[in-house]
Amino acid sequence: AQKITQTQPGMFVQEKEAVTLDCTYDTSDQSYGLFWYKQPSSGEMIFLIYQGSYDEQNATEGRYSLNFQKARKSANLVISASQLGDSAMYFCAMREPRISGYSTLTFGKGTMLLVSP
Amino acid sequence: DAGVIQSPRHEVTEMGQEVTLRCKPISGHDYLFWYRQTMMRGLELLIYFNNNVPIDDSGMPEDRFSAKMPNASFSTLKIQPSEPRDSAVYFCASSLPSGSGNYEQYFGPGTRLTVT
Repeated sequence: AQKITQTQPGMFVQEKEAVTLDCTYDTSDQSYGLFWYKQPSSGEMIFLIYQGSYDEQNATEGRYSLNFQKARKSANLVISASQLGDSAMYFCAMREPRISGYSTLTFGKGTMLLVSP
Repeated sequence: DAGVIQSPRHEVTEMGQEVTLRCKPISGHDYLFWYRQTMMRGLELLIYFNNNVPIDDSGMPEDRFSAKMPNASFSTLKIQPSEPRDSAVYFCASSLPSGSGNYEQYFGPGTRLTVT
């Protein structure tokens, strides 16, 4: 079973509009974390935002916010005021502790966002 | 800080050849991760190290793949012999000690491997 599900293969948005990228996760751990990374066409992976499972407030970083709904196991990324430079692939990832005591990341398949003028 | 450094950025090789990918993590990071990204399988964790020690290599696809970390500033991922299905982008990432509370993984620019 997939641990991270991103149901939107592609999303389109007009410049200056807000967009929500969906992410649902599956875990039985109490301590975990959710990440969003951006991968532009140049290929690098850029960290955007992080939410810990015990964080009561939704994480925000500039134009990025994470809509964390723990009971629904969802961690959607909201980008406000989209810019042309936001066009990229976006990955949701979950940090889970392993038996060894360390944490690793499991990535979703990604959502391609295209921002039009 | 220079960030995570990977070399080469692009590698084209013939089937059967040995390929070595290199990674220099960010100074002070004691975790190092190797990932492979393909269209079909997405981003997969291959292996990770803590303080130069391999912790989990369950993601390594076959015995043809091996990884080492001889010191805190250098790691290699080797494929011998290479096959066309190994064509992918290979990322190295590093992160701070777990006690720091900062779980972000810092990715290198990746190595695009093409095996013909």
